[in-house]
Amino acid sequence: DVKVTQSSRYLVKRTGEKVFLECVQDMDHENMFWYRQDPGLGLRLIYFSYDVKMKEKGDIPEGYSVSREKKERFSLILESASTNQTSMYLCASSTGKTGANVLTFGAGSRLTVL
Amino acid sequence: AQKVTQAQTEISVVEKEDVTLDCVYETRDTTYYLFWYKQPPSGELVFLIRRNSFDEQNEISGRYSWNFQKSTSSFNFTITASQVVDSAVYFCALSEPFGGGSQGNLIFGKGTKLSVKP
Repeated sequence: DVKVTQSSRYLVKRTGEKVFLECVQDMDHENMFWYRQDPGLGLRLIYFSYDVKMKEKGDIPEGYSVSREKKERFSLILESASTNQTSMYLCASSTGKTGANVLTFGAGSRLTVL
Repeated sequence: AQKVTQAQTEISVVEKEDVTLDCVYETRDTTYYLFWYKQPPSGELVFLIRRNSFDEQNEISGRYSWNFQKSTSSFNFTITASQVVDSAVYFCALSEPFGGGSQGNLIFGKGTKLSVKP
């Protein structure tokens, strides 16, 4: 019954390292999202994609990039990790083109940058 | 501007108590959707309910009920006879306006952490 899979639950990286967070969904959803979750700040949208090779900036894209080469996979890239990127990262997917879309979330990837 | 406010940061109750989680939203749209998600300690957000702006009927699902009032821009969530398994962070969310590259992305509140003690 696995739907949205994030490759790593916990990662520890050093400042300046390049970090890849992978997300795969098996529901043939066209929409995919990366959120960041921090205490007291809730969920904030980093990037989203409505189609293969397509990407749009969310509310906090600085310091991040994304890649969507295949419909089922949406990768979040930290080109040069910094300590303020220590956070929980949540991937989600949905189908449809309206605000009625229900998001299906992965279990999250908790990243610590030392 | 679109905004979702969950004023209660943390709530602690004893098992079997009823508890209401508040959600107030702001939007200029006439057509929008509201959602509640649950995030248990395992981390994965789970969808609970979706409501469109034209349907103000309250909804009940087992011990869960939702009260949607457009007049006060609120979409509150009540758990009756709470259980330890209800302990989680609960998020209320509002759909962004359609068009302009958004296509209905969700705006989340900051969440309410509910702790139900035995």
